[in-house]
Amino acid sequence: QVQLKESGPGLVQPSETLSLTCTVSGFSLTSYSVSWVRQPSGKGPEWMGRMWYDGDTAYNSALKSRLSISRDTSKNQVFLKMNSLQTDDTGTYYCTSQRSPQTGSPFDYWGQGVMVTVSS
Amino acid sequence: AIVLNQSPSSIIASQGEKVTITCRASSSISSNYLHWYQQKPGAFPKLVIYSTSYRASGVPSRFSGSGSGTSYSFTISRVEAEDVATYYCQQGSSNPPTFGAGTKLELK
Repeated sequence: QVQLKESGPGLVQPSETLSLTCTVSGFSLTSYSVSWVRQPSGKGPEWMGRMWYDGDTAYNSALKSRLSISRDTSKNQVFLKMNSLQTDDTGTYYCTSQRSPQTGSPFDYWGQGVMVTVSS
Repeated sequence: AIVLNQSPSSIIASQGEKVTITCRASSSISSNYLHWYQQKPGAFPKLVIYSTSYRASGVPSRFSGSGSGTSYSFTISRVEAEDVATYYCQQGSSNPPTFGAGTKLELK
């Protein structure tokens, strides 16, 4: 079955870079896209960016200058790197996938999320 | 970016009561790309309704959705204890995909 799992540090210093990994199973990264979505505590989710099945990427313009998404298909992993972290970047970070290749299709599958705190 | 305004922000309902949540978009969106999620504390958002009115696999028939253009609604016909959660609408009609701020459902 489809599974996604996020991993990475729970605590990041202000101004430092966040690095997260999403390890997927049950599907190929060359067939389905993977997005990163984050959620501050008590607030709605925010879509950050997407790694398309063909290796292309798309970013939320609000984060584009700080964000990079890449992948290693041999390891079934998608990576997120975001620099210049501030306290309002604190929240839970999810990777998620869509069954349909259409851009607007729903986020069907989710990882359990990783809590990231930005603090000195 | 399209802003989704959900109302109310919170609901207190009795078991068996009907509840309706509204999601209004700042611009018209395709009904094919308006979706609803249920999020319980400590868990990820779970897809409940996709493309405005289609129930995701395994979702009980008491959940339904409707709408078009800029106005959409999500209804639980008879609330059960297990429905206590926060519900979010999400649009994929225009980039970037955006989510509403959520509606928290609690039991009386």
